[in-house]
Amino acid sequence: DTEVTQTPKHLVMGMTNKKSLKCEQHMGHRAMYWYKQKAKKPPELMFVYSYEKLSINESVPSRFSPECPNSSLLNLHLHALQPEDSALYLCASSQDPSRAQPQHFGDGTRLSIL
Amino acid sequence: DQQVKQNSPSLSVQEGRISILNCDYTNSMFDYFLWYKKYPAEGPTFLISISSIKDKNEDGRFTVFLNKSAKHLSLHIVPSQPGDSAVYFCAALTYNTDKLIFGTGTRLQVFP
Repeated sequence: DTEVTQTPKHLVMGMTNKKSLKCEQHMGHRAMYWYKQKAKKPPELMFVYSYEKLSINESVPSRFSPECPNSSLLNLHLHALQPEDSALYLCASSQDPSRAQPQHFGDGTRLSIL
Repeated sequence: DQQVKQNSPSLSVQEGRISILNCDYTNSMFDYFLWYKKYPAEGPTFLISISSIKDKNEDGRFTVFLNKSAKHLSLHIVPSQPGDSAVYFCAALTYNTDKLIFGTGTRLQVFP
């Protein structure tokens, strides 16, 4: 069982829709991450939140908007996405962003853009 | 620029034998290396890690070896079990960036 919970598991949306992906962890971790994974490719980092502040944005298009309301929650707001944005979106957390520690992943949201 | 590479896309091993998965990297600034296992429809699961100041770390059936001079690490699974069948990713990061770089993955199949 994963301790990082992502909802929804699947999402189908049109290019004009607005939707949000949600991620939650209750391990007391202070760093949270969004990754994007295309089929047969490794996960690619999108955003890092460290102590609830955005610390890394990997030049992600503005149609993806992250939000960290508190230390346990991470959202990814989606607007005007393109078909090439269809992918598995993974959330992860780690205990202390100032130390090299394993990141623990959720099971992801499978996103399809029509 | 692929900083972390897994040159074998797939590996097939008989149950009970040793599985050896390999990973090469180019960035000498990496401080910390990790292995993840991924089943279909699930997120990556952390297996084992190693700091760049060590050359070996062992946890049960899993052992990771690091050769810094060759910029190479490997994961040994012994004995291999059918439940080990999955895609294995190696990953690396530097302490001051918190940015995890994944390899391309190796699909391991353990057959009876």
